[in-house]
Amino acid sequence: AQSVTQPDIHITVSEGASLELRCNYSYGATPYLFWYVQSPGQGLQLLLKYFSGDTLVQGIKGFEAEFKRSQSSFNLRKPSVHWSDAAEYFCAVGPESGSARQLTFGSGTQLTVLP
Amino acid sequence: NAGVTQTPKFQVLKTGQSMTLQCAQDMNHEYMSWYRQDPGMGLRLIHYSVGAGITDQGEVPNGYNVSRSTTEDFPLRLLSAAPSQTSVYFCASSWGQGQFFGPGTRLTVL
Repeated sequence: AQSVTQPDIHITVSEGASLELRCNYSYGATPYLFWYVQSPGQGLQLLLKYFSGDTLVQGIKGFEAEFKRSQSSFNLRKPSVHWSDAAEYFCAVGPESGSARQLTFGSGTQLTVLP
Repeated sequence: NAGVTQTPKFQVLKTGQSMTLQCAQDMNHEYMSWYRQDPGMGLRLIHYSVGAGITDQGEVPNGYNVSRSTTEDFPLRLLSAAPSQTSVYFCASSWGQGQFFGPGTRLTVL
């Protein structure tokens, strides 16, 4: 069965600092990997996705993520955090055959940005 | 396009009551799904549908029913609400390379 682990429940960074959110997955085949962001009281918005090819993927809002098969990781990064990035971030994995279907989500990382 | 819409935004039920959470999408997506979100647990798949007339169970289907009579609509029914069903419910539709989520319904069962 597929699973996703986000080891950091809560991360606090200062505005302008760099950010890295960790995501580790367990999946028996080539996974489809996603990062979503959820602002308070809102639904989830897709930040970026990895299906194949270049292991460094670019997303919206200046985010990027790197797929490392050897480490079963798909960490999310941003070079300079803005106050508006404060939100909860979810990593998700999906089966290759189903693409975005039947996603399994991690438990989320809450990001606080200090002024 | 309105995307994925959900009604109501908030709902309070008493134990044993029934209700239907509505979900609609105007993107002509074949695939739709329902998730529940609980603190510290991420999103868990309740039911999903790969097209009109076809539904299947996800990770946590007990206590919920779904039907898919049209491509646009995918309602979620609670036949006899229980306090354990207090949660935030999200509907999503998919075009294959990403899921679009609705704004959610916050449900409290007393």
